[in-house]
Amino acid sequence: NAGVMQNPRHLVRRRGQEARLRCSPMKGHSHVYWYRQLPEEGLKFMVYLQKENIIDESGMPKERFSAEFPKEGPSILRIQQVVRGDSAAYFCASSPLAGDARGEQYFGPGTRLTVT
Amino acid sequence: GENVEQHPSTLSVQEGDSAVIKCTYSDSASNYFPWYKQELGKRPQLIIDIRSNVGEKKDQRIAVTLNKTAKHFSLHITETQPEDSAVYFCAASTPGSQGNLIFGKGTKLSVKP
Repeated sequence: NAGVMQNPRHLVRRRGQEARLRCSPMKGHSHVYWYRQLPEEGLKFMVYLQKENIIDESGMPKERFSAEFPKEGPSILRIQQVVRGDSAAYFCASSPLAGDARGEQYFGPGTRLTVT
Repeated sequence: GENVEQHPSTLSVQEGDSAVIKCTYSDSASNYFPWYKQELGKRPQLIIDIRSNVGEKKDQRIAVTLNKTAKHFSLHITETQPEDSAVYFCAASTPGSQGNLIFGKGTKLSVKP
């Protein structure tokens, strides 16, 4: 059973470009969470999605950031017009259970975004 | 909303000694408390978790204790080994929060051989 997959592992973008980060959850998991980790800091929740639905986006900046989890294919976190402050590691985690059932979350390897 | 504080931020122990990391949380409704280990450049890995209906849980050299009254939980690692060196994160989840985890800022554990 493959774990959570993320790609690309490393992404370099110039200021003003768009970044697209992909996350494929573990087989059988239909709940995806995105977290951002700044250097030397903990993980900050961004958004929680189920297939075709955004359930909670309270941690995601309202501008430039968007997320989706289509019926087919991976979940995508999109950052438009990136700025240097967006440089961070972005992790997704998947869970087999709905949020309130307190399912364990399993993390992917992360995408390290560098904005130059 | 929930807030999780983690101490210490760095911890250095000799191989074979025990290590204890403590976290406090603010929302008394929180009921799920996982611990993650993150090695440099790697993904966070779930090492142990505890739910609010349990006071203690053990898995080999790792144990977690929960004090609901005081709103704190701790990670205990016994007989530490150099490969235990990593950053450890505690987290808490609250009913109604859709399961998203609120993380502490991490503890960098160094085990000296």
